[in-house]
Amino acid sequence: QVQLQQWGAGLLKTSETLSLTCAVSGESFSGYYWSWIRQPPGKGLEWIGEINHSGGSNYNPSLKSRVTMSVDTSENQISLMLRSVTAADTAVYYCARKRNLGPVDYWGQGSLVTVSS
Amino acid sequence: DIVMTQSPDSLTVSLGERATINCKSSRSVLYSSNNKNYLAWFQQKPGQPPKLLIYWASTRESGVPDRFSGSGSGTDFTLTISSLQAEDVAVYYCQQYYSTPHSFGQGTKLEIK
Repeated sequence: QVQLQQWGAGLLKTSETLSLTCAVSGESFSGYYWSWIRQPPGKGLEWIGEINHSGGSNYNPSLKSRVTMSVDTSENQISLMLRSVTAADTAVYYCARKRNLGPVDYWGQGSLVTVSS
Repeated sequence: DIVMTQSPDSLTVSLGERATINCKSSRSVLYSSNNKNYLAWFQQKPGQPPKLLIYWASTRESGVPDRFSGSGSGTDFTLTISSLQAEDVAVYYCQQYYSTPHSFGQGTKLEIK
């Protein structure tokens, strides 16, 4: 059974950098894309981007200038950095597994990140 | 970018009745080389991450009750719950994974009448 355990700072100030990590266990790390998706409180889902085990990535153009995703295959971990955050970046951030050419099928528990001034 | 639009935004249905949620994409998500629609449906309950229900527009994920079904092709899709149960109260999202960014619909909130 795949498990995604995520962690990171939950409270940031405007202009700081959001940093989250997601550890994958229970199944092979390679052969999948690993996604980050966020959800502002009470709102819908927004796809941030994805990365595979060899570092190939795709980002949402709306966030591309501020986002960096990375992968650590030795630890089976993926990371998300979002620079220069504002209140609009307040959201629950999810890491998720995406099947190759298929859908997202496993999700982490979510991490609430709040940005205050 | 492909824009996904769901209708209605909210839906109230009696227990045992049929619930139907629609999803329209701004461009086709049908990949002609394999004849697959790159469209998934998710269910999200309060305080939980979304759960995959349907992928390839009509393939039910393992363990999902057969009262959930998906249909449609190209740009127009439907999620149907054939006989609503109390545990189906949730927000439902469609998502296209045909091209990045893999956009979601705005969600449909399903409640019991």
